[in-house]
Amino acid sequence: NAGVTQTPKFQVLKTGQSMTLQCAQDMNHEYMSWYRQDPGMGLRLIHYSVGAGITDQGEVPNGYNVSRSTTEDFPLRLLSAAPSQTSVYFCAAGGGGGNTIYFGEGSWLTVV
Amino acid sequence: EDQVTQSPEALRLQEGESSSLNCSYTVSGLRGLFWYRQDPGKGPEFLFTLYSAGEEKEKERLKATLTKKESFLHITAPKPEDSATYLCAVRGGAQKLVFGQGTRLTINP
Repeated sequence: NAGVTQTPKFQVLKTGQSMTLQCAQDMNHEYMSWYRQDPGMGLRLIHYSVGAGITDQGEVPNGYNVSRSTTEDFPLRLLSAAPSQTSVYFCAAGGGGGNTIYFGEGSWLTVV
Repeated sequence: EDQVTQSPEALRLQEGESSSLNCSYTVSGLRGLFWYRQDPGKGPEFLFTLYSAGEEKEKERLKATLTKKESFLHITAPKPEDSATYLCAVRGGAQKLVFGQGTRLTINP
């Protein structure tokens, strides 16, 4: 996974609870992003960042917040979890342009 | 809006039976077309990046090609260990990486 670390790997939340999925990279990559993967839906982009202090929305941003205060970290916050947010979440990091983008091992989130 | 469509959704082959996976795309200002392999319970694993029409790249039994509208992932004489989901993605001027739905490949011994 070329230095992309996600925590936690597994989490169960109750509806309405908040939590933060952590993503850290140690390769000084400019680009970081969060995806969710649901059966039959492929990888859908939630939020992405092209550098510290810069974030933008992807395809499915509602219900999620991000910030990029450092190059290394890109946390994903769920402010009030809903069952529809039950999914596998992947963090990715890489260089700009056509440079390779690497993925973490995933975080499995269940909201009950 | 950048878009990627992969076909077929699923493909079953016998060991040694060659075939191709298709990735059709629209993108503004292509920076790169990416192929990834994903095994169950794992994150996507990088395979190739293609940058311009006519480019080809190979790795073991896999060969990726690119035209202005689509990319193909050719699998020659596959083995059971090639079974996985293969993902195609494009990156354009907005820098975000946009994925297709993936093709689930099964190689029977």
